[in-house]
Amino acid sequence: EAGVVQSPRYKIIEKKQPVAFWCNPISGHNTLYWYLQNLGQGPELLIRYENEEAVDDSQLPKDRFSAERLKGVDSTLKIQPAELGDSAVYLCASSLLPGIGELFFGEGSRLTVL
Amino acid sequence: AQTVTQSQPEMSVQEAETVTLSCTYDTSESNYYLFWYKQPPSRQMILVIRQEAYKQQNATENRFSVNFQKAAKSFSLKISDSQLGDTAMYFCAFIVQGGSEKLVFGKGMKLTVNP
Repeated sequence: EAGVVQSPRYKIIEKKQPVAFWCNPISGHNTLYWYLQNLGQGPELLIRYENEEAVDDSQLPKDRFSAERLKGVDSTLKIQPAELGDSAVYLCASSLLPGIGELFFGEGSRLTVL
Repeated sequence: AQTVTQSQPEMSVQEAETVTLSCTYDTSESNYYLFWYKQPPSRQMILVIRQEAYKQQNATENRFSVNFQKAAKSFSLKISDSQLGDTAMYFCAFIVQGGSEKLVFGKGMKLTVNP
């Protein structure tokens, strides 16, 4: 069984540029999460999807961040424009059942903003 | 607010030894799940062990076991017979049942297993 796939693994951009991250969850996992992990910190939830619906986006900075999960499978997280403080690892995770915390994570997308 | 505290930022242990990682949490809820996740260098985070708060028996998964003290809100992870592959960041986390369904993580602890 394939795991959660994320791309790109690494991205270096200059500030004010846009960037997008893609995630393909485990087949059959209806719940998809995007987490932000700053250096030396634990992951923090940005947004959670149940199928196509964003059920928790309270921590997503909506002025510059956006996300979508068309057709309830793949998801894209976008930042426009990127700021220096956005340098971090963006983790995608999926779960078969929501609310019980057993998440399957991708390898993450490491963003460096210069 | 629901929080998770991992007070030890870093530990090292010799191969084959036993090590205990500590975690405390704070919640006013009574029904929740607790977890330890492992994040090896440059690899994805994986679930190590899970504990349901309503269960008194401590969870065990092979060399990994927990000491769950609900009254003290403590949830430590014991790794027996440490192996080089155990070198990783370890994150304690919990989620409230029937609540926001948000998994809350601690800051993590770096464990190094030395040969």
